[in-house]
Amino acid sequence: GAVVSQHPSRVICKSGTSVKIECRSLDFQATTMFWYRQFPKKSLMLMATSNEGSKATYEQGVEKDKFLINHASLTLSTLTVTSAHPEDSSFYICSARDNWQEQFFGPGTRLTVL
Amino acid sequence: GDSVTQMEGPVTLSEEACLTINCTYTATGYPSLFWYVQYPGEGLQLLLKATKADDKGSNKGFEATYRKETTSFHLEKGSVQVSDSAVYFCALSLTNTGNQFYFGTGTSLTVIP
Repeated sequence: GAVVSQHPSRVICKSGTSVKIECRSLDFQATTMFWYRQFPKKSLMLMATSNEGSKATYEQGVEKDKFLINHASLTLSTLTVTSAHPEDSSFYICSARDNWQEQFFGPGTRLTVL
Repeated sequence: GDSVTQMEGPVTLSEEACLTINCTYTATGYPSLFWYVQYPGEGLQLLLKATKADDKGSNKGFEATYRKETTSFHLEKGSVQVSDSAVYFCALSLTNTGNQFYFGTGTSLTVIP
């Protein structure tokens, strides 16, 4: 199947700093990518839908100024957590949708904010 | 609204025991149904899927049948192995919501030798 990568896989940062997470579709083009957040022992919660060349669509309760999403090309979407705080510590997972409407998930990024 | 209800865990089984993880769904349209598996520290991997009623998805000895009459998609395996220890997520996807996924809460499975 298609491959989606995320970078970095783990990141530890100080409170108040910003962190950028990349999501790449390695062998297909994805006009739509999704960003999820997973709390410990909980399910995945959709944060936003990222569309190439346009603004992301955020789910209710997700601060768009805090979680900046950019989908500048058909193979790359980035999530920037601005002014991170300990409560932003979580596992962030992206997925990418191919031309046949199938979704493929990345391996996730573990963010720890000290 | 659209949602997935999944059996709560954790589940602990001995090797070679039978596994069933219940999953039921609520959907406004005709969803595709999925089971994903998440091994410790990793992302989600598609385990199996079914796109229409009465379809059976199968992979690695796991099976699930799309039951429209009971709105269910229970995951089953006849003989589990230690390597099956993971968290299992049931999910649905609807084309009329742009293929957005709705996930269950996940069921943690531990298989002991």
